[in-house]
Amino acid sequence: QTVVTQEPSFSVSPGGTVTLTCGLSSDSVSTRYYPSWYQQTPGQAPRTLIYSTNTRSSGVPDRFSGSILGNKAALTITGVQADDESDYYCVLYMGSGLWFGGGTKLTVL
Amino acid sequence: EVQLVESGGGLVQPGRSLRLSCAASGFTFDDYAMHWVRQAPGKGLEWVSGISWNRDIIGYADSVKGRFTISRDNAKNSLYLQMNSLRTEDTAFYYCAKAFLNNNCPSSWGQGTLVTVSS
Repeated sequence: QTVVTQEPSFSVSPGGTVTLTCGLSSDSVSTRYYPSWYQQTPGQAPRTLIYSTNTRSSGVPDRFSGSILGNKAALTITGVQADDESDYYCVLYMGSGLWFGGGTKLTVL
Repeated sequence: EVQLVESGGGLVQPGRSLRLSCAASGFTFDDYAMHWVRQAPGKGLEWVSGISWNRDIIGYADSVKGRFTISRDNAKNSLYLQMNSLRTEDTAFYYCAKAFLNNNCPSSWGQGTLVTVSS
């Protein structure tokens, strides 16, 4: 059973920096899984932020960055703004299909 | 500009069927793999199914295998999802998504269509 893990929730102050992670129950996350990150606000479709570990999607500000930290994929947001308050999802591509994490609810307070 | 417009959602009774469509524009449809991703109300994203540009590679989540069928018509720039033997747990927003060329993960998303399975 493949399980992709994310922190259920995270809080950050405006202007701060936060790192969200994406782990795999049965293996280390590496670039071979092409980790990607999505932002979703209530009632809206997901928005693509990062793909292939660390490539920003078109129009995404450079406050958002992706990386591998240890055995997990990571999404770092610097200079957090109020409208960064959203749900964030990672996805891993494996031969059998796509595996989404459960999402992290980011609160900006 | 990439546009993906889903249609075909609605209220359906358990055990019945529904067919979703996704009309694509703004890109060369037959160059890209496509996916269906769903989201139950208040829950996270779940990959449902994906299809390669030439239909050679098709995959399904275990939760829908044997009940759902993905297909595409490159001449019509359209993606489809035939959903049979629907269950209450299939209730969700269904999103059509275009994949990146080099990694198969979703790059662009439609606005979704709501499927409600209820008696």
